[in-house]
Amino acid sequence: GQQLNQSPQSMFIQEGEDVSMNCTSSSIFNTWLWYKQDPGEGPVLLIALYKAGELTSNGRLTAQFGITRKDSFLNISASIPSDVGIYFCAGQGASGTYKYIFGTGTRLKVLA
Amino acid sequence: GAGVSQTPSNKVTEKGKYVELRCDPISGHTALYWYRQSLGQGPEFLIYFQGTGAADDSGLPNDRFFAVRPEGSVSTLKIQRTERGDSAVYLCASSPGALTNYGYTFGSGTRLTVV
Repeated sequence: GQQLNQSPQSMFIQEGEDVSMNCTSSSIFNTWLWYKQDPGEGPVLLIALYKAGELTSNGRLTAQFGITRKDSFLNISASIPSDVGIYFCAGQGASGTYKYIFGTGTRLKVLA
Repeated sequence: GAGVSQTPSNKVTEKGKYVELRCDPISGHTALYWYRQSLGQGPEFLIYFQGTGAADDSGLPNDRFFAVRPEGSVSTLKIQRTERGDSAVYLCASSPGALTNYGYTFGSGTRLTVV
């Protein structure tokens, strides 16, 4: 099935560093979501974006809805060990309000 | 319930056997979704229920897969004649209605291993 392309696939960073990741699509989306998944758990919603150019924050997390509507970005500032996990983007197109297409994930490991 | 509950959390079955995976959505959520997550991948859409009916089953990979939601609450995903390629985490999610701009609430998933 279709999956969005996320970059990087994985990253190791030191505690306290900032993290950036992105997600790209060949299709235009109306909604972008960012989820985090811990081992053995389902994805948990972090941030939702609804408008091109929109910048939204949730604590140390900031996400942006790309101007082209084909990409989105997630930044984590001052990373801490509990930020470890897999981050997924998900996009929702105009064709349906219920179906999301997920990215391949960015695996984040934080070194204390 | 407070969250989306999925049972069992783990299921190991032999190739060719039949399995049922259960999902209990958040109380009052009319929309229910099944996604499949293969190792190292993001979740992929399988089927969407609005109430009791399957509004979109376009993601089911073949006719060995079937899902029901007879009373508009609990849903069961059924897989016949399981194959090793069916091994994955099966995620269930629910939302208050079809307008899911806020995304879904996922359960913890059922990890299916076909040996």
